[in-house]
Amino acid sequence: DAGITQSPRHKVTETGTPVTLRCHQTENHRYMYWYRQDPGHGLRLIHYSYGVKDTDKGEVSDGYSVSRSKTEDFLLTLESATSSQTSVYFCAISEGGRTDTQYFGPGTRLTVL
Amino acid sequence: AQRVTQPEKLLSVFKGAPVELKCNYSYSGSPELFWYVQYSRQRLQLLLRHISRESIKGFTADLNKGETSFHLKKPFAQEEDSAMYYCALRAETSGSRLTFGEGTQLTVNP
Repeated sequence: DAGITQSPRHKVTETGTPVTLRCHQTENHRYMYWYRQDPGHGLRLIHYSYGVKDTDKGEVSDGYSVSRSKTEDFLLTLESATSSQTSVYFCAISEGGRTDTQYFGPGTRLTVL
Repeated sequence: AQRVTQPEKLLSVFKGAPVELKCNYSYSGSPELFWYVQYSRQRLQLLLRHISRESIKGFTADLNKGETSFHLKKPFAQEEDSAMYYCALRAETSGSRLTFGEGTQLTVNP
């Protein structure tokens, strides 16, 4: 497995509370991504980063924000969690380039009650 | 915008039978197509990509631009092939971003 870790791996929280998920890489890859995985929807991109402090929205970014203050860490924040944000969240990294391949973290299972 | 469709959410076959997982896409440009796989309790990982034209674990996939499809095939399924399979597309204008399909859960029965 590529050097990608996610924390926490499991979290249960209540509606309205803020939640931050962390993705950490040891590969020095330029690109980092946050996806959510839901039955019937597959993986959908939330936000991605193409460098330190450089981020952009994906297809399901509403209710989420991200930050990348250093190459190795990419944080996903749910400012005020809702039950619709109950999901499995995956982080991925890639180097970019012609043969770019995304490598995925182990996932974080988030339950919002 | 591009879109990837996997029409089968669930697919069940017997060991030794041929298997085909369907993937259709909509994109007006020249896409790059991938198959990713997630085995039980493992991370999502790349299975194959169309530009490599390789066979991985006995699986092959051919990009058919006329039918806008990238179906994944294996002539003789094995129990260890049971997993969730995702088709993904990279558009020319998307940089490194991927668009994933809904996924197909393949079960190979003994």
